[in-house]
Amino acid sequence: DTGVSQDPRHKITKRGQNVTFRCDPISEHNRLYWYRQTLGQGPEFLTYFQNEAQLEKSRLLSNRFSAERPKGSFSTLEIQRTEQGDSAMYLCASSLGQGTWYNEQFFGPGTRLTVL
Amino acid sequence: DQQVKQNSPSLSVQEGRISILNCDYTNSMFDYFLWYKKYPAEGPTFLISISSIKDKNEDGRFTVFLNKSAKHLSLHIVPSQPGDSAVYFCAARDHTDKLIFGTGTRLQVFP
Repeated sequence: DTGVSQDPRHKITKRGQNVTFRCDPISEHNRLYWYRQTLGQGPEFLTYFQNEAQLEKSRLLSNRFSAERPKGSFSTLEIQRTEQGDSAMYLCASSLGQGTWYNEQFFGPGTRLTVL
Repeated sequence: DQQVKQNSPSLSVQEGRISILNCDYTNSMFDYFLWYKKYPAEGPTFLISISSIKDKNEDGRFTVFLNKSAKHLSLHIVPSQPGDSAVYFCAARDHTDKLIFGTGTRLQVFP
């Protein structure tokens, strides 16, 4: 399977703990995005990378959140000192960005986080 | 401020009939629009897209129409099949390449 993969698929943690999620994009895709989806809402943009450079961060991404894409391949999203409001589905997507030409973003299956 | 709106949270259609899902947006700078389909416990699956310079794009049973003056787009599925039952999200691309999603419409296709 050459689609976007995410690990883990589910994570249950206690409030105050740190969690880290991983995303492996489609291999030739240079752009990688993180979104968050809560119940009854559409996905909300968090941040995105072009290769290893983080180009934009949403104001939703508080200082407890950090994302990296060290070698321009896989990415990690870390949440420190989790809060119950962080419970959501965290989605990763990738696309092949070529200048201003737009290519669709393809999503992974998501990581469902539950903070107790 | 919801820039992309899907005002119908659900839609029920008989198999074989047409399904029409609607989406409205407020930002005239959006240059690309997409529809995604989502099953429970899965990520969104890309369905069809349309550039802001076009008013129609067709792919098999799926057609997307864009009315820029009304800031409105719609997805037509003909004929509808039970396997089309899912949540459909409309999304718009802004100038920074991120997608802005609507809240989704749950489509149920019954026999």
